[in-house]
Amino acid sequence: AQSVTQLDSHVSVSEGTPVLLRCNYSSSYSPSLFWYVQHPNKGLQLLLKYTSAATLVKGINGFEAEFKKSETSFHLTKPSAHMSDAAEYFCVVSDPSSASKIIFGSGTRLSIRP
Amino acid sequence: NAGVTQTPKFQVLKTGQSMTLQCAQDMNHEYMSWYRQDPGMGLRLIHYSVGAGITDQGEVPNGYNVSRSTTEDFPLRLLSAAPSQTSVYFCASRSSPNQPQHFGDGTRLSIL
Repeated sequence: AQSVTQLDSHVSVSEGTPVLLRCNYSSSYSPSLFWYVQHPNKGLQLLLKYTSAATLVKGINGFEAEFKKSETSFHLTKPSAHMSDAAEYFCVVSDPSSASKIIFGSGTRLSIRP
Repeated sequence: NAGVTQTPKFQVLKTGQSMTLQCAQDMNHEYMSWYRQDPGMGLRLIHYSVGAGITDQGEVPNGYNVSRSTTEDFPLRLLSAAPSQTSVYFCASRSSPNQPQHFGDGTRLSIL
């Protein structure tokens, strides 16, 4: 069985300050992990992916995430928030050998204060 | 690059009506999926396909049908629309299970 929990439904930060979006997962196999971003009225866009290579994964737009197996976490970070980062973010866990075992977190809405 | 294209972008239906949501991809991906997105629930898998002629049910398949006659197209059919099917529907494709999915921009569907 697998599950994913995004620990915050809403995060608000000031422009220029660090961003931390938290994601915990459970899985009975070695999972693939992804972070996606969704801007209003748009589809989901891949930010970054972990597929059992380096544990620190760098993505687009300055985002990165660290896979911590001992903590079953895959938190998303960015050193300095920009107004354009305001969006919904989804953590996703999937079984890399299955076409259907894909679980989406419930999402974290990121707001950026000027 | 068109990627994944969904049509229509918006639709309003009356209870009991049927309709087909279209999805097409131009990346030659074998794996395609349909999801619905409801507030606070993330995305839930409706149906998926691992290649032309092969489809299977996901987490919430009731009230929906799919077919996959070509690699490019994966339409989703609502047989008899119900208010509970009011949602945003996303189509996605990928080349293999360990690769990320590419998403369309969604179809916003309201059932009155």
